[in-house]
Amino acid sequence: EAGVVQSPRYKIIEKKQPVAFWCNPISGHNTLYWYRQNLGQGPELLIRYENEEAVDDSQLPKDRFSAERLKGVDSTLKIQPAELGDSAVYLCASSLMRTANIQYFGAGTRLSVL
Amino acid sequence: DQQVKQNSPSLSVQEGRISILNCDYTNSMFDYFLWYKKYPAEGPTFLISISSIKDKNEDGRFTVFLNKSAKHLSLHIVPSQPGDSAVYFCAASAGSAGNMLTFGGGTRLMVKP
Repeated sequence: EAGVVQSPRYKIIEKKQPVAFWCNPISGHNTLYWYRQNLGQGPELLIRYENEEAVDDSQLPKDRFSAERLKGVDSTLKIQPAELGDSAVYLCASSLMRTANIQYFGAGTRLSVL
Repeated sequence: DQQVKQNSPSLSVQEGRISILNCDYTNSMFDYFLWYKKYPAEGPTFLISISSIKDKNEDGRFTVFLNKSAKHLSLHIVPSQPGDSAVYFCAASAGSAGNMLTFGGGTRLMVKP
């Protein structure tokens, strides 16, 4: 069974440029998460989807970040415009249902903003 | 305010010995705890978990202990192997918050041959 797939793996952009990350969760997983992991820290939740509905986006900086999950499967996380402090690893995870505590993570996208 | 803390950023252990990784939490609403292992350039991988109704859960070489009164949990790896070298993250969730995970900062384990 394929795991959570993320692309790109690495992205280098200049500040003020836009950037987008893509995530394909494990087949059948209706809950999808986006996390941000800063260097030397643990992942921090940005947004959680149940099917196509964003049910928890309290930690998403909405002035520059946006996300969507069309048809309740793939998801895209966008930053526009990017700032230097956005440099981090962006992780996508999925789980089978809302009450399933075990989340499965993709390899992440490492973003460097210059 | 960090609700989940891993106070040891790194740990070095000899192959074959026991590795003990510690984690403390402050939120008394947490009722489920997990350990994830992360290799470089990979995402975190689920390792073992424990519900707050238990105080121990074992899976092969890995055992997680939970002390609710102290708000402390630990991961024991016996015997440690070089392939166990990775960053280990402790995570916690509260049933009332769905399954949102709050992670600690991680502990880098190095198992020396």
